[in-house]
Amino acid sequence: GESVGLHLPTLSVQEGDNSIINCAYSNSASDYFIWYKQESGKGPQFIIDIRSNMDKRQGQRVTVLLNKTVKHLSLQIAATQPGDSAVYFCAENKSGTYKYIFGTGTRLKVLA
Amino acid sequence: DADVTQTPRNRITKTGKRIMLECSQTKGHDRMYWYRQDPGLGLQLIYYSFDVKDINKGEISDGYSVSRQAQAKFSLSLESAIPNQTALYFCATSDFSFFIWNQPQHFGDGTRLSIL
Repeated sequence: GESVGLHLPTLSVQEGDNSIINCAYSNSASDYFIWYKQESGKGPQFIIDIRSNMDKRQGQRVTVLLNKTVKHLSLQIAATQPGDSAVYFCAENKSGTYKYIFGTGTRLKVLA
Repeated sequence: DADVTQTPRNRITKTGKRIMLECSQTKGHDRMYWYRQDPGLGLQLIYYSFDVKDINKGEISDGYSVSRQAQAKFSLSLESAIPNQTALYFCATSDFSFFIWNQPQHFGDGTRLSIL
């Protein structure tokens, strides 16, 4: 089975409810942020990104909020579905650098 | 078909063996990366390549080597495997533009490597 993420924080939500997953990023100079979804046995899948000139960006059922003052990023998933069950993690990057810093992730469990 | 394909998906081998993990992509991206994922840790960068003639070490390159055979192919080798290299390994690609510097990375489904 999947061994990555055995000790991750877990968020359990009822199907149909909204989910909010949080991420504290480390580098105040970072200006690009990404959310990934990783299902068991699969690679990270790009969900949505946001640049530092924005506070909010919306996609299909997902919204990312960026608070640069406190170096905080959140992912909101509307009407959470069983297929949303996965590990979610954020990544940060500073323009002009190759380095992406990845968070350790949060496991989202959707309860039927 | 997957845009980023990694082979093998699983591999069990013994200490001291040489192992090669392969990655191919159909996304047409110039930039390719190799990461390692361990329980409780974020992805760690092993090597990256911005084009065929450009290879760079990442944070944890010791014990690893890479080869960029073509724009679409980037392989990772463990010259003499040791047990603490047991991990999930991911290949990723990203696009590049002088107008949009930062781009998301797109990952393969990984290779689960166990070294006994």
